[in-house]
Amino acid sequence: NAGVTQTPKFQVLKTGQSMTLQCAQDMNHEYMSWYRQDPGMGLRLIHYSVGAGITDQGEVPNGYNVSRSTTEDFPLRLLSAAPSQTSVYFCASSKAGFPSGRAFDTQYFGPGTRLTVL
Amino acid sequence: AQKVTQAQTEISVVEKEDVTLDCVYETRDTTYYLFWYKQPPSGELVFLIRRNSFDEQNEISGRYSWNFQKSTSSFNFTITASQVVDSAVYFCALSEDFTGGFKTIFGAGTRLFVKA
Repeated sequence: NAGVTQTPKFQVLKTGQSMTLQCAQDMNHEYMSWYRQDPGMGLRLIHYSVGAGITDQGEVPNGYNVSRSTTEDFPLRLLSAAPSQTSVYFCASSKAGFPSGRAFDTQYFGPGTRLTVL
Repeated sequence: AQKVTQAQTEISVVEKEDVTLDCVYETRDTTYYLFWYKQPPSGELVFLIRRNSFDEQNEISGRYSWNFQKSTSSFNFTITASQVVDSAVYFCALSEDFTGGFKTIFGAGTRLFVKA
């Protein structure tokens, strides 16, 4: 298993540009999520999905869109990048599912994408 | 609301010293999970332990041990005989249930420096 993969590893954007951060997992996990990591603030949840076709907002969703058309993929879209979105982005997945999503499970993280918006 | 506090921003120790990383959490749920993750300088997040709210047994894994106390809402992490390779940022996290799934909140992290 490759686990959770993210592409690209590094990206530099100009203000106003759009892009998609890719995340894929091959563990058949139902739950996937996106976090951003900023210095001194830990990880903050952006969006999450409890299964294909189902997404919802986390703590800091503004400026980001997600979709979940397959179990494996959970892309994160920045529609109009802003310098405040400069961060390291982590994708994670776990087994917990919907509607039984009471089964907490460990989240496994991808290697991260370091994004700089100029 | 859920909250995770890691009051120690940075800790510096000399190799072979024991070190305890503190984690205090807030939650209104009776069912929740607590986690510790390690982030070495290479940047990846490595899962260390998961503990559910109904299991207050302490756990030891090699040089690592965890002390979970619901009475004080704490889930502290101790490294015994620290090594240089333990230098990393350590995150404590809390997962709570909600309709349709769960959410995880991370603490701000504690950066541990272990000097040779």
